[in-house]
Amino acid sequence: DAGVIQSPRHEVTEMGQEVTLRCKPISGHNSLFWYRQTMMRGLELLIYFNNNVPIDDSGMPEDRFSAKMPNASFSTLKIQPSEPRDSAVYFCASSFRGGINEQFFGPGTRLTVL
Amino acid sequence: SQQGEEDPQALSIQEGENATMNCSYKTSINNLQWYRQNSGRGLVHLILIRSNEREKHSGRLRVTLDTSKKSSSLLITASRAADTASYFCATDTGRRALTFGSGTRLQVQP
Repeated sequence: DAGVIQSPRHEVTEMGQEVTLRCKPISGHNSLFWYRQTMMRGLELLIYFNNNVPIDDSGMPEDRFSAKMPNASFSTLKIQPSEPRDSAVYFCASSFRGGINEQFFGPGTRLTVL
Repeated sequence: SQQGEEDPQALSIQEGENATMNCSYKTSINNLQWYRQNSGRGLVHLILIRSNEREKHSGRLRVTLDTSKKSSSLLITASRAADTASYFCATDTGRRALTFGSGTRLQVQP
């Protein structure tokens, strides 16, 4: 199994640009999570999907952030427009049945907004 | 403060010594999990302990859980330089999404 796949691994963009992060969860997992990690705020849960349906998006910081999961094997996290304070490492994780079981993390996308 | 806070924030030990990290949480949990993160990498699951368990072992790892004190500890025995990483506890409170603590940075000196 290839594990959770994220792309791109690194993204550098200018303020105001649209950024799209992509995630392919582990086949057979029905829960998908997007996290953001910064030195100041640690690891924050942004949004959680179960069976492709958003269950908890209370961590999404602003309307500039949106996430979709059109099918069981793909999810996107979009930031439009991006701001320098969005600079962080964004992780996607998947699991079977949410927090009951272990989560498998992708390698992350390091986003830098200039 | 957050659900799931690790203590200490940073720990430096010599290779071969044991490392102990603690985690405190505030609300009732279904399970508590420990993860490791190497620099620049994603988190890797180490061990899961359920609320009705008190102790669990996995190789050189020993985890304890005291639900009356709302605390857990992670013990790494006979540490190695390769154990250098950040360690996070995460709690499942039934929301089906985990809440992660701020982590303990462990440095094992060779």
